[in-house]
Amino acid sequence: DSGVTQTPKHLITATGQRVTLRCSPRSGDLSVYWYQQSLDQGLQFLIQYYNGEERAKGNILERFSAQQFPDLHSELNLSSLELGDSALYFCASSVISGGLAGNTIYFGEGSWLTVV
Amino acid sequence: AQSVTQLDSHVSVSEGTPVLLRCNYSSSYSPSLFWYVQHPNKGLQLLLKYTSAATLVKGINGFEAEFKKSETSFHLTKPSAHMSDAAEYFCVVSDQGTYKYIFGTGTRLKVLA
Repeated sequence: DSGVTQTPKHLITATGQRVTLRCSPRSGDLSVYWYQQSLDQGLQFLIQYYNGEERAKGNILERFSAQQFPDLHSELNLSSLELGDSALYFCASSVISGGLAGNTIYFGEGSWLTVV
Repeated sequence: AQSVTQLDSHVSVSEGTPVLLRCNYSSSYSPSLFWYVQHPNKGLQLLLKYTSAATLVKGINGFEAEFKKSETSFHLTKPSAHMSDAAEYFCVVSDQGTYKYIFGTGTRLKVLA
């Protein structure tokens, strides 16, 4: 158990809908990352927050947005869903901001999103 | 810019034989390097990391990796494969300039009985 909690674990929704994925980082971690993993595109970095502020942006679509709240939990909002958005969405957390020497990121178990 | 290349997308070994998963990186800074393992339908678990201390890094479940600056490599090895090692393995380099972690495309390890 990494200590990173993601909900829901599984979600099935229809095209055009909006969903929210939730992440609670490990106790004491200030940085949260979101990744998307699909069969055709592999593991893609979406976005990173550090202590409530956006720190780095990856391949995140405009239909997607995220935020980190004062209690450090984070939400990833996916709207106008398309079939191609079906994927496993991971949240990860670390003590300090990503990329610094030795800073380790810990992953949650992921949220499976199926768009039908 | 930092990058990481996993040289094999699939590796098959017999149970009890050595495992070698290859990873090359490029980095403008002194890199931090990681190996993660992902079992089916699970999250990524940290196996080991290198942070400019000892060049031979020991991880969990008998895995180790050696940082070779001259070859820009960070290959993952295990002396004897076990069936439970079957999983996907990701090599990761951290980018101290952009705060990002750069993931390789993964190597799927298959262990044959």
